[in-house]
Amino acid sequence: EAQVTQNPRYLITVTGKKLTVTCSQNMNHEYMSWYRQDPGLGLRQIYYSMNVEVTDKGDVPEGYKVSRKEKRNFPLILESPSPNQTSLYFCASRSTGAYNEQFFGPGTRLTVL
Amino acid sequence: DQQVKQNSPSLSVQEGRISILNCDYTNSMFDYFLWYKKYPAEGPTFLISISSIKDKNEDGRFTVFLNKSAKHLSLHIVPSQPGDSAVYFCAASAQTGANNLFFGTGTRLTVIP
Repeated sequence: EAQVTQNPRYLITVTGKKLTVTCSQNMNHEYMSWYRQDPGLGLRQIYYSMNVEVTDKGDVPEGYKVSRKEKRNFPLILESPSPNQTSLYFCASRSTGAYNEQFFGPGTRLTVL
Repeated sequence: DQQVKQNSPSLSVQEGRISILNCDYTNSMFDYFLWYKKYPAEGPTFLISISSIKDKNEDGRFTVFLNKSAKHLSLHIVPSQPGDSAVYFCAASAQTGANNLFFGTGTRLTVIP
C-alpha cells in the first residue's frame, strides 16, 4: 500500500529536550516536505526536500532541522523544543512535477510543556 | 499574511443537497489550485485540482470552479453525503514557487443525514 508514515503519532515533551519525528514514504517520491497545522493558520510549510541531500526552508523553518540522507526518509528534528512548537505536524511527499498532488502522512501531535 | 483564505470555518448541509465551499486568494502568481479533504486523526487527502487555464474541473460529485478575475474558487459537492463530513482545505501554488503549497485555514463540512 502506497503511504507516508510518521512516528510517533503523539508526543508530549518538555522544553529543551531534543526530539526527532520520523517520516518515511514507499512511493519512491523525490519531493518531501514538512508542514505544521495550527488553529486559524492552516498548514504552513517548515522545510522541503527536492531529493537526497537537497533541502530548503519553507515558510516557518525557525527552530527546526531536517535531513535527507535516503530517498524514502525525511526526519524532522527539534533540537531545543519550545512551547510555541506545540502543533500538529504533517509530512508529505510527491513525485517530480510541480503540480502533482502531495500525499500526506497521518500527522504527529506534539505538545511541548 | 494569509495568501489563501477560507472565510467560512464551518458549513452544515442536508444530505442530498449541494455543498459549496469557498476560497479566496491574494497572490496573482498562483496558477494551480487544489482541494484537500481531512478526516480526524488522518492526514489531508487530495480531492480535486484545477489549473488557471481552466475555469471548471469536474470529478464525479465534485466540481471546482475558478474565477481568476475575482481570485476566487469554489468546490461544489452534489449530492452531499454523510461521508463527506470532513475539513476541506483549499491550497494554491505558483509556477515560480512550486515547492510550496499555500493552504487556507479550512472549512468543516457537516452533512446531516
